[in-house]
Amino acid sequence: QQQVKQSPQSLIVQKGGISIINCAYENTAFDYFPWYQQFPGKGPALLIAIRPDVSEKKEGRFTISFNKSAKQFSLHIMDSQPGDSATYFCAASGGNTDKLIFGTGTRLQVFP
Amino acid sequence: GAVVSQHPSWVICKSGTSVKIECRSLDFQATTMFWYRQFPKQSLMLMATSNEGSKATYEQGVEKDKFLINHASLTLSTLTVTSAHPEDSSFYICSARRAGGLSEQYFGPGTRLTVT
Repeated sequence: QQQVKQSPQSLIVQKGGISIINCAYENTAFDYFPWYQQFPGKGPALLIAIRPDVSEKKEGRFTISFNKSAKQFSLHIMDSQPGDSATYFCAASGGNTDKLIFGTGTRLQVFP
Repeated sequence: GAVVSQHPSWVICKSGTSVKIECRSLDFQATTMFWYRQFPKQSLMLMATSNEGSKATYEQGVEKDKFLINHASLTLSTLTVTSAHPEDSSFYICSARRAGGLSEQYFGPGTRLTVT
């Protein structure tokens, strides 16, 4: 019930392409869904987050799509750049917990 | 805003010694701070949640006597790894949530601990 499943485990995209990472959750009490970007040897940085009252949120090249009925949310990176190469984690929280439940991570590599 | 710092960024210590890691929220007050541990190519594992002025809440399987957490002020939390062993070698990351904030957690840059 507390798991967040993330796929794919790794992703290779050509520069300019679209990177798509998917996450699924089970706990319907979750009401906050952030995405974090982490570079090697650094802490995660909050990229973008969404709440269930909207189905999509866009910030620059990053878009979260949220499907409440399917209990799924995804991160789309438009015009992917080599500088986007990092590990991306989805997470969820809500209900009776303020803890973030993290997905397993997706290692993105963008080749020129 | 929402900057979190950690000190030190890396530390090497001998087996049996203790190491203290500091986590500071630089431009906001944090009523709640979280401590995570991350192994190479793995996700973040929550170790404990600390609220200012009260005892930390540890996750199942985390030894509270080994990983001492103190959250003495709204801008500082510390993690002390006592009697460190090589298996404690890991990347330790803290995060902080704003006082009066909703769910956003802001992460520090992490501390690489190596126990020899």
